[in-house]
Amino acid sequence: DQQVKQNSPSLSVQEGRISILNCDYTNSMFDYFLWYKKYPAEGPTFLISISSIKDKNEDGRFTVFLNKSAKHLSLHIVPSQPGDSAVYFCAASVTGTASKLTFGTGTRLQVTL
Amino acid sequence: NAGVTQTPKFRILKIGQSMTLQCTQDMNHNYMYWYRQDPGMGLKLIYYSVGAGITDKGEVPNGYNVSRSTTEDFPLRLELAAPSQTSVYFCASSYPQGAQEEGGKNIQYFGAGTRLSVL
Repeated sequence: DQQVKQNSPSLSVQEGRISILNCDYTNSMFDYFLWYKKYPAEGPTFLISISSIKDKNEDGRFTVFLNKSAKHLSLHIVPSQPGDSAVYFCAASVTGTASKLTFGTGTRLQVTL
Repeated sequence: NAGVTQTPKFRILKIGQSMTLQCTQDMNHNYMYWYRQDPGMGLKLIYYSVGAGITDKGEVPNGYNVSRSTTEDFPLRLELAAPSQTSVYFCASSYPQGAQEEGGKNIQYFGAGTRLSVL
């Protein structure tokens, strides 16, 4: 039972263009959502998050959008840079559960020159 | 600060052997976690701890044991290793002591991982 789904295993985008990574969830109890970035042979690193009481959160080139009714969130990267090439994981948590995270399967982003 | 440190980085085990994956954090975090990541999959929670002396099962605890005798250390023990335990293991921590618990909004910080093969 995959409660957090990232249906696109990979995405290729040209440098300077927008990257849009998508994530769907099924558990309506999730109230906090995070994106992590992972380079090969490294651990995931936190990128950006959003609470369920908001529909948008922005941090520099990164913006996360949340559509609660559709149980869908997306990460926008504008403009995309070669250093953004990595695997991006969507994760979700429920308040009061020791910040345990449920992860999606990840999307590999390749930013080409 | 080193953050979350995992040792070893790589290990090959024979079926039936045992080993301990070490994890230590120097951020004075209350919460610690162990995840495994199989190829093409997301991270799955094995065990977690909300403080010294307190541990609880995650989604995939079978074949593993943990202990939390100090705030800093959270070792993961594999008894009778099986090929199904071939994976990359990540340790993480969150929620600084003395900070306000933000009801699940605490960011987790991860170690670099241990790549384990059981042959």
